[in-house]
Amino acid sequence: DTAVSQTPKYLVTQMGNDKSIKCEQNLGHDTMYWYKQDSKKFLKIMFSYNNKELIINETVPNRFSPKSPDKAHLNLHINSLELGDSAVYFCASSQVGVIGRELFFGEGSRLTVL
Amino acid sequence: AQSVAQPEDQVNVAEGNPLTVKCTYSVSGNPYLFWYVQYPNRGLQFLLKYITGDNLVKGSYGFEAEFNKSQTSFHLKKPSALVSDSALYFCAVLDVSGGSYIPTFGRGTSLIVHP
Repeated sequence: DTAVSQTPKYLVTQMGNDKSIKCEQNLGHDTMYWYKQDSKKFLKIMFSYNNKELIINETVPNRFSPKSPDKAHLNLHINSLELGDSAVYFCASSQVGVIGRELFFGEGSRLTVL
Repeated sequence: AQSVAQPEDQVNVAEGNPLTVKCTYSVSGNPYLFWYVQYPNRGLQFLLKYITGDNLVKGSYGFEAEFNKSQTSFHLKKPSALVSDSALYFCAVLDVSGGSYIPTFGRGTSLIVHP
């Protein structure tokens, strides 16, 4: 059983389109995250969300929005895609109440904007 | 505020030799420190962590890391490298006393183990 699963794994689309990436975790964790990994492999937090609060990295354009239908899912919606949005997007989860709080990552979703 | 630095973009080591991947951190309070590994086209996998207690922590695949508070370092080590250890390694820090639960990751160090 995959602990954190993301779909799709690959996404190729045109500039200006709107797309979504889905994420589900079956670990019972209370917090989920979205990270962006750029071409230099640098990891940048975009959002973290638990049932109490959404924390948004202020550098993330408002074209990006997280949607959480329930605590096991945190989907990423991107409007009006731009070339610079091309990257690998990772979903992760953790149990914030557990000492240590290591993250469990999905396999990533590679977005290519043409 | 919390930050972490990995001063080496790449580390090259021969198979069978010991390896060290460096990490230094900066926090206002007490740190939680983590190492993750990323194999090509895969997600990050947790290797080990330091929360409190013994400065030497052991993790998966024979890796260990030493917490050094005076040098604010948390270097990743392995006594004998394998070709299969070749991957991208990320150090991460969490300043729990600051109330944050979002770790900050370093830029990553590419480890290349030569046969």
